Amino acid sequence: NAGVTQTPKFQVLKTGQSMTLQCAQDMNHNSMYWYRQDPGMGLRLIYYSASEGTTDKGEVPNGYNVSRLNKREFSLRLESAAPSQTSVYFCASSEPSGGAGGSYNEQFFGPGTRLTVL
Amino acid sequence: GEDVEQSLFLSVREGDSSVINCTYTDSSSTYLYWYKQEPGAGLQLLTYIFSNMDMKQDQRLTVLLNKKDKHLSLRIADTQTGDSAIYFCAESPLNTGGFKTIFGAGTRLFVKA
Repeated sequence: NAGVTQTPKFQVLKTGQSMTLQCAQDMNHNSMYWYRQDPGMGLRLIYYSASEGTTDKGEVPNGYNVSRLNKREFSLRLESAAPSQTSVYFCASSEPSGGAGGSYNEQFFGPGTRLTVL
Repeated sequence: GEDVEQSLFLSVREGDSSVINCTYTDSSSTYLYWYKQEPGAGLQLLTYIFSNMDMKQDQRLTVLLNKKDKHLSLRIADTQTGDSAIYFCAESPLNTGGFKTIFGAGTRLFVKA
């Protein structure tokens, strides 16, 4: 099993360009996530999809859109890239469990995409 | 609001114990987690603790939870150079339905030979 895969690994964009980051998981997980990681700020949630057919905003959604294409794939789109979007982007998937008693939610992460916007 | 705080850097000598501390704000979280990130890679779950436990031990790792003070710590015994990484504390508040995980900023552990 490949786990969570992301493409591309590296990307350089000019301000105003658009691009889509691709993510796929082969663990049959219902939930998928997009995070950005910036120095000293840890991981911040951009968007998540609790299950196929649903998407919700996270902490920092502005400037991004997402598509849950099917259960396996969850893409992140930058319509008009800005230098403030220079970051490392991680996709993750999980299968929350535990019901009303509390949810165990181990997340499995891809290797990341390093994006630079000039 | 939800927040997880941890110090950014820790430096220890090989063979010593490392203790990484974390404070969190949302007491509704049933599980609290420690993730490890090695250079150039994504995060990987290292260990977790259920909120009704005070301590969990797993080989060289000991997790301590003080629910009253909302304080979580990770102790690594006999720290090795291979333990050099960034360690993230995280919680999944119940009011998010368990879907959202709040991560701290990460503690970068340096192990000196």
